[in-house]
Amino acid sequence: EVRLVESGGDLVQPGGSLRLSCEASAFMFNSNGMHWVRQAPGKGLECVSAISKDGKDVFYADSVRGRFTISRDDSENRLYLQMASLRPEDTAIYYCARGPNPTGSYYSWFDSWGQGTLVIVSS
Amino acid sequence: DIVMTQSPDSLAVSLGERATINCKSSQSVFYDSNKKDYLAWYQQKPGLPPKLLIYWASTRESGVPDRFSGSGSGTDFTLTISSLQAEDVAIYYCHQYYAVPLTFGGGTKVDI
Repeated sequence: EVRLVESGGDLVQPGGSLRLSCEASAFMFNSNGMHWVRQAPGKGLECVSAISKDGKDVFYADSVRGRFTISRDDSENRLYLQMASLRPEDTAIYYCARGPNPTGSYYSWFDSWGQGTLVIVSS
Repeated sequence: DIVMTQSPDSLAVSLGERATINCKSSQSVFYDSNKKDYLAWYQQKPGLPPKLLIYWASTRESGVPDRFSGSGSGTDFTLTISSLQAEDVAIYYCHQYYAVPLTFGGGTKVDI
């Protein structure tokens, strides 16, 4: 069974940094585009960042571009999100999700989700 | 950005009755080269991540009960629960993956 496990969420002060990690198992990690999707408390879903299967194409939402960096380590089956200059509006549960589009691009639906990791940005 | 608008925001349906959720995109999500609509539906229960129900607008994910069905094309889509069960109480989201940023509808809360 496909498994995605996020970690790294924490309480951080505005302006601080965090690195989120997503450990993947039970599938060919290097065959899939991967995504970070966040959900603010009581709110809807927002696609924050995405990376193609080969890592050559990346996407960032306008709200995080220039502050967040997505990366992947296929040898470790891990997806990362480096977050800097954090703002209170970044407070959310951050989900790692798999995009099963066979092309490996990030233009995909999400067929597997992790349980999420909570990031709270507050002083 | 493609804006996804869901309606209604919430609905209450009796057990065994039909629930219908609508989703409208601000531009077409139909890709002419492969004749597919880049539209998915998810179900989210409290405290859990979203769960994929439908992709390519009408393809049911493996293991999803056949009371869930998706229809529509272009800019107008519908998720139908043919006979609502107690376990279907949740928030439902549509999602376009035609263009970045990939975007979701605001969600529709389904109650008994």
